[in-house]
Amino acid sequence: GQNIDQPTEMTATEGAIVQINCTYQTSGFNGLFWYQQHAGEAPTFLSYNVLDGLEEKGRFSSFLSRSKGYSYLLLKELQMKDSASYLCALNYQLIWGAGTKLIIKP
Amino acid sequence: ETGVTQTPRHLVMGMTNKKSLKCEQHLGHNAMYWYKQSAKKPLELMFVYSLEERVENNSVPSRFSPECPNSSHLFLHLHTLQPEDSALYLCASSQDRVSYNSPLHFGNGTRLTVT
Repeated sequence: GQNIDQPTEMTATEGAIVQINCTYQTSGFNGLFWYQQHAGEAPTFLSYNVLDGLEEKGRFSSFLSRSKGYSYLLLKELQMKDSASYLCALNYQLIWGAGTKLIIKP
Repeated sequence: ETGVTQTPRHLVMGMTNKKSLKCEQHLGHNAMYWYKQSAKKPLELMFVYSLEERVENNSVPSRFSPECPNSSHLFLHLHTLQPEDSALYLCASSQDRVSYNSPLHFGNGTRLTVT
């Protein structure tokens, strides 16, 4: 089968760095996506990884290790507006994790 | 108007009612999707339409019926729903179905409550 695990909730401090992990099991891999979802709003696309390594986009970076079935989203210089849920999705966005709720404290 | 628009934003219906959710995308995309989002659960893909081909999750009950008259419009027809169907229903579109890195653009969703 296919499934994704993410921590349910994380707390971090404004200005700090936080890493949100996503581990998965799948029989075939066709890419991994990260989305951000603010409360009461639609998910918005953050990043896509299909090859091993780090993809950097400003304050956000995403890492993938296909051999380990592991990805993480790294958020730097945290801002209050980064408080949101972060969703990990696999394989044409057919399989999703339940999301990690990130709480930023001043 | 741009992006993906869903109506209504909120819907309360009884178990014997029939209602429809509407989605419209103005992005020129070729694929449209319905997802169900329940609290603390993963997004569940219900249906995908791509170039008039429909792909569905076989676990979706028949009381949910999609319709895609063209590449810009998508409907979800609801009838004889159950209380456990209460959730946020999200519509999304993407450039196409088969590109590996084609991200989804979501609407703001319809919050459905079945009483």
